[in-house]
Amino acid sequence: EAQVTQNPRYLITVTGKKLTVTCSQNMNHEYMSWYRQDPGLGLRQIYYSMNVEVTDKGDVPEGYKVSRKEKRNFPLILESPSPNQTSLYFCASSASPGGLYGYTFGSGTRLTVV
Amino acid sequence: AQSVTQLDSQVPVFEEAPVELRCNYSSSVSVYLFWYVQYPNQGLQLLLKYLSGSTLVKGINGFEAEFNKSQTSFHLRKPSVHISDTAEYFCAVSSKTSYDKVIFGPGTSLSVIP
Repeated sequence: EAQVTQNPRYLITVTGKKLTVTCSQNMNHEYMSWYRQDPGLGLRQIYYSMNVEVTDKGDVPEGYKVSRKEKRNFPLILESPSPNQTSLYFCASSASPGGLYGYTFGSGTRLTVV
Repeated sequence: AQSVTQLDSQVPVFEEAPVELRCNYSSSVSVYLFWYVQYPNQGLQLLLKYLSGSTLVKGINGFEAEFNKSQTSFHLRKPSVHISDTAEYFCAVSSKTSYDKVIFGPGTSLSVIP
């Protein structure tokens, strides 16, 4: 089954403790992206990647890092999480830039930073 | 830069009644337009997209949307809703000159009442 897999689904952590949210896709897509979803704000792009070793900032990159060492994986790293990063996070992939044919989304990771 | 407005944050509707979810966008260049649906505790799923051609676009689950360039709108409609249509609906836009950037609206919560 074609899918984007995120782990974990739920995470509660403390301020300042580094964490990684993993994302993997099995569709051989070149284009991957991370979004955060907050009530009333819709989805805002954090980072995106156009291919292996090619990443760029989205609209809200502060406090986040990403890497793309393999085509299928695109982890999101929070090196020093803060409470304002409490949010619902989605990874998405597409065969082309997501504004052309649309994205396939993962099921989401709900992060709480206390 | 593009922006998306979804005027209705919540739309309650009785089962088997018609529904229209409104979306307006702002852009100085030509755009691609999308509707995504998010069922509870799931990621977003592409409902339909407008790239070019016919302004009436049909999607999955009986939904359709009409692109109106003069009114900069892309409203989503369904003639008869079911309980299973209860979900969050997001309108999204990208420009034809920079389609790696997808801008999402704040979402409309559709509640179907039995």
